Amino acid sequence: EPEVTQTPSHQVTQMGQEVILRCVPISNHLYFYWYRQILGQKVEFLVSFYNNEISEKSEIFDDQFSVERPDGSNFTLKIRSTKLEDSAMYFCASRGGRFSGNTIYFGEGSWLTVV
Amino acid sequence: AQKVTQAQTEISVVEKEDVTLDCVYETRDTTYYLFWYKQPPSGELVFLIRRNSFDEQNEISGRYSWNFQKSTSSFNFTITASQVVDSAVYFCALSVLSGNTPLVFGKGTRLSVIA
Repeated sequence: EPEVTQTPSHQVTQMGQEVILRCVPISNHLYFYWYRQILGQKVEFLVSFYNNEISEKSEIFDDQFSVERPDGSNFTLKIRSTKLEDSAMYFCASRGGRFSGNTIYFGEGSWLTVV
Repeated sequence: AQKVTQAQTEISVVEKEDVTLDCVYETRDTTYYLFWYKQPPSGELVFLIRRNSFDEQNEISGRYSWNFQKSTSSFNFTITASQVVDSAVYFCALSVLSGNTPLVFGKGTRLSVIA
C-alpha cells in the first residue's frame, strides 16, 4: 500500500540551527501538507502546497519556515533558525486530486528536539 | 471557521468493554468531510474512516462503528469489545470541500484499555 515517508524519524538540533525535514508523498497525490504536534497537544496545520506553491498557511508558519518541492518526489520543510518552542512532531501528509475523496494520509512523523 | 470538539480528554476502560468517543463539529459549509485518526504510542497518525456530509449512514468495520448525526453535528466512534491494542489517542477531524483546505483536528481523546 502506498504511503507517505518521512526522514529523519528523529532529529536533535541546537537552538539557532537550520533544520530540513524531508517527505516523500504518495506518488500520484497532488496536495501536500505539513502539520505539527507539540508533545501531548493536538495536531496543528502549518502549510498546504499545490501546483508548486503554497496555497494556505497558518499563523504558526512564519518567516522562519519554508517549504519546497525540489523535484518530482520530495517535499521539504525548512526551519531557518530553530527555537526551543519548535520542538514537536512534524507530520507530512498528502492527498490525491480534487475528486479523490479528500482523505489526507500522514507520514509517520519526524520528531524534532531543539536543545 | 471550522471547529472540532472532543470533550473527553481521557477514558479508561477494562478490556472487552465497549467505549464511545464523542466528536462534535462546527462548520457553516454544507459540504465537508469528517475523519477519525488513531495515534498509537509509537506516534504515527493512522487513518480510520472518512465520512462525507451527504452520507449519514452509520458504518461498521469489525469492532469499530461510527454514528454520524448532522442534526446534532456529531460523529461519534464506538469500539466494541475493546482490546489493549486499542489504547491510543484518537483524533476527530474536519475538512471542508473548498479548495485545498486543511484538516482541523480536535484535541484528541486518550483511550487506555486495561487488561
